[in-house]
Amino acid sequence: AQSVAQPEDQVNVAEGNPLTVKCTYSVSGNPYLFWYVQYPNRGLQFLLKYITGDNLVKGSYGFEAEFNKSQTSFHLKKPSALVSDSALYFCAVRETDSWGKFQFGAGTQVVVTP
Amino acid sequence: DTEVTQTPKHLVMGMTNKKSLKCEQHMGHRAMYWYKQKAKKPPELMFVYSYEKLSINESVPSRFSPECPNSSLLNLHLHALQPEDSALYLCASSQERTSGRLHNEQFFGPGTRLTVL
Repeated sequence: AQSVAQPEDQVNVAEGNPLTVKCTYSVSGNPYLFWYVQYPNRGLQFLLKYITGDNLVKGSYGFEAEFNKSQTSFHLKKPSALVSDSALYFCAVRETDSWGKFQFGAGTQVVVTP
Repeated sequence: DTEVTQTPKHLVMGMTNKKSLKCEQHMGHRAMYWYKQKAKKPPELMFVYSYEKLSINESVPSRFSPECPNSSLLNLHLHALQPEDSALYLCASSQERTSGRLHNEQFFGPGTRLTVL
């Protein structure tokens, strides 16, 4: 079985400060990990994914995520947050044998204040 | 074209109506998905089509009926819905698995905001 947890319902950060959105996962095999962002009344936009290789993954809009196997985490980071980064962020995991099925986290609302 | 389109954007229907949601992609993806999303919650998988065949049905009530007429189109037919079915309905697509590569990201459409009165 696969599962993913986003421990924070909301993250508040001032513009220009670093942004971190936490995600931990549980899978029985190798994880494929994804981050998506959702703006109000819009679909989900793909940000980045980890499949294999370098633990630091770079994605769209200046976001990056660090895969940590020992801590089973895949935290999303941005060095300098923008007001326009305010949105709902979802972490998702897919196991190697669970084609078609993403397991989404509960989501973290990011609020960036000017 | 890296876009998934959905129509209509908004739909209001009564409990006795029949309506359809439409989704289209021209990325050559052979897997297409329907999700239901309540406000501030993660998307819930409803159906998955692989090569135009239904491969996953997440025990969705029969008042929701999916259809995949061809590799670019996905429909969701709605009949006798309940007010609790009001939600954002998202369509997504991804590359089909090849050689065990199951990691392909899903591309989402903007959704149809459905209100059932």
